[in-house]
Amino acid sequence: QVQLVQSGSELKKPGASVKVSCKASGYTFTSYAMNWVRQAPGQGLEWMGWINTNTGNPTYAQGFTGRFVFSLDTSVSTAYLQISSLKAEDTAVYYCARGLGYCTNGVCLNWFDPWGQGTLVTVSS
Amino acid sequence: EIVMTQSPATLSVSPGERATLSCRASQSVSSNLAWYQQKPGQAPRLLIYGASTRATGIPARFSGSGSGTEFTLTISSLQSEDFAVYYCQQYNNFGPGTKVDIK
Repeated sequence: QVQLVQSGSELKKPGASVKVSCKASGYTFTSYAMNWVRQAPGQGLEWMGWINTNTGNPTYAQGFTGRFVFSLDTSVSTAYLQISSLKAEDTAVYYCARGLGYCTNGVCLNWFDPWGQGTLVTVSS
Repeated sequence: EIVMTQSPATLSVSPGERATLSCRASQSVSSNLAWYQQKPGQAPRLLIYGASTRATGIPARFSGSGSGTEFTLTISSLQSEDFAVYYCQQYNNFGPGTKVDIK
């Protein structure tokens, strides 16, 4: 079955870096975009951006440029999110989610399915 | 940027009752609207895409409707497992969510 499995929880000190992995299985990895979504404690969902798994080209949402890097290892069907110079406000659950969609009659639809189980990154001294 | 709003913020419903959740876009998004369910400690799960198409394995008690700027997610008869937070999404913009809890 199609699934995304993420790496485990991380506890980091301010200023450190973290790399979260998202391993895909059950489908052709390079045929679908991979999105990253952040959820701060008790808050809603915030789209961070996406990476084209065919070309490796990343697109970052506003507010997620500079310290955030999306990357791939297509040989193991895995996407990565690296965050550098961690701050307390980076404490959140980070999700990867496969992007799906199509265009018909001039209307384009998109949605995310499935989602990884989430990775809690805690930044604390 | 299109802004998504959801109402109400919290909906208290008794098991077996009907729940109606609303999502509004700040400008027309045609039918590009998805709904997700999130339970505590779990990842979001896709329920509806294209405003009204149920995702694979989603029970028929979940239905979506609307187009343009006004959308609705209806749960016809709430089951215990349906108490959760529901998010709408247009393109890469998520609404703030509606929490459905037990009355």
